[in-house]
Amino acid sequence: KAGVTQTPRYLIKTRGQQVTLSCSPISGHRSVSWYQQTPGQGLQFLFEYFSETQRNKGNFPGRFSGRQFSNSRSEMNVSTLELGDSALYLCASSLRLPGLNTGELFFGEGSRLTVL
Amino acid sequence: DAKTTQPTSMDCAEGRAANLPCNHSTISGNEYVYWYRQIHSQGPQYIIHGLKNNETNEMASLIITEDRKSSTLILPHATLRDTAVYYCFQMNYGGSQGNLIFGKGTKLSVKP
Repeated sequence: KAGVTQTPRYLIKTRGQQVTLSCSPISGHRSVSWYQQTPGQGLQFLFEYFSETQRNKGNFPGRFSGRQFSNSRSEMNVSTLELGDSALYLCASSLRLPGLNTGELFFGEGSRLTVL
Repeated sequence: DAKTTQPTSMDCAEGRAANLPCNHSTISGNEYVYWYRQIHSQGPQYIIHGLKNNETNEMASLIITEDRKSSTLILPHATLRDTAVYYCFQMNYGGSQGNLIFGKGTKLSVKP
């Protein structure tokens, strides 16, 4: 069974540009969440999607956005990149259903973004 | 801020048991305790979770105190491949993963 796939794995952008990251969850998983990981702040929650609906959003500026498609694949976008956006962006999928279970999270390898 | 507190780092001799503590004094009745680990440059990996009873799987054992304010993850026979950062966190049953807050974790170094 294929794991969570994130693309691209590495990318370099310059300030002011925008970036789109992609996440393909494990087959059958409808819940997808995104996290930003930096050495200083650790792992921080960005958003959570279930059945194409954003269920919750972390405390990040509006430059960070995301969406989920009908096949559960998800994308996140960061516009007007800043140096501080350099981080490992992790996606996780799960069988976790709202109010029904505590499905474990399966993380991808992440997309490492460097902003110059 | 993370709701859990863990030691910053720990060392363990290869082949010995690694006992990683976690304090979660504000845990509520419907919140589970989860443990994940992250090996360098990889995504976090699920280890185990529990509500109030001790749990064991092929990777580890989880001991939760009776008052549920703390827990200990036990790796019974640590190997060099267990060197990683271990995160403990609390997450409510069926709730949004916006409640998922990883702290800084414990960096476990398994030494030969």
